Amino acid sequence: GQNIDQPTEMTATEGAIVQINCTYQTSGFNGLFWYQQHAGEAPTFLSYNVLDGLEEKGRFSSFLSRSKGYSYLLLKELQMKDSASYLCAVRDGDYKLSFGAGTTVTVRA
Amino acid sequence: ETGVTQTPRHLVMGMTNKKSLKCEQHLGHNAMYWYKQSAKKPLELMFVYSLEERVENNSVPSRFSPECPNSSHLFLHLHTLQPEDSALYLCASSQDLGGSFNEQYFGPGTRLTVT
Repeated sequence: GQNIDQPTEMTATEGAIVQINCTYQTSGFNGLFWYQQHAGEAPTFLSYNVLDGLEEKGRFSSFLSRSKGYSYLLLKELQMKDSASYLCAVRDGDYKLSFGAGTTVTVRA
Repeated sequence: ETGVTQTPRHLVMGMTNKKSLKCEQHLGHNAMYWYKQSAKKPLELMFVYSLEERVENNSVPSRFSPECPNSSHLFLHLHTLQPEDSALYLCASSQDLGGSFNEQYFGPGTRLTVT
């Protein structure tokens, strides 16, 4: 089966940086996605990596190492509105996404 | 603003009831998905449709019955559910099934409670 691991919870201070790690063991690999989900709302797309390296998008960056089965999402200059659950998902074929259980990030003032 | 809507947002039903969840996407996508999200667990893919044809039925019990009348609408018919079926049911859509990117867009979900 597919195995996607990420920490359950993280807490950080407003203005700080937080790194959410995701490790995966899947039968195939065709891209890794990060989604943000606020409580009671839809998951929204943050980033996509299919090749090794860093993808930067404003305050958010995502890194992938396919050989290590590892990714991280980096959130910089944290804001209170960044308090949410962050989901790591691996696509192992054309369309099927296997999700981690999510990391709940709490930003404190 | 999401291009995928779901109704109802909240549903409480007894184990002998029959109800349906509705999903509509306004993005012109060809593929639609049903996921189940239980507390502290990963999203579980339930069903996938491409151009109104079911392409994935992920070992889901028959008390869940999907229907896709056209590429914009997706239903999940529920009957004789169990308390462990209580969860958030998310609908998603994507432009197509294949392709190098093919991001999935999610709706806000229906919070289902089975009593």
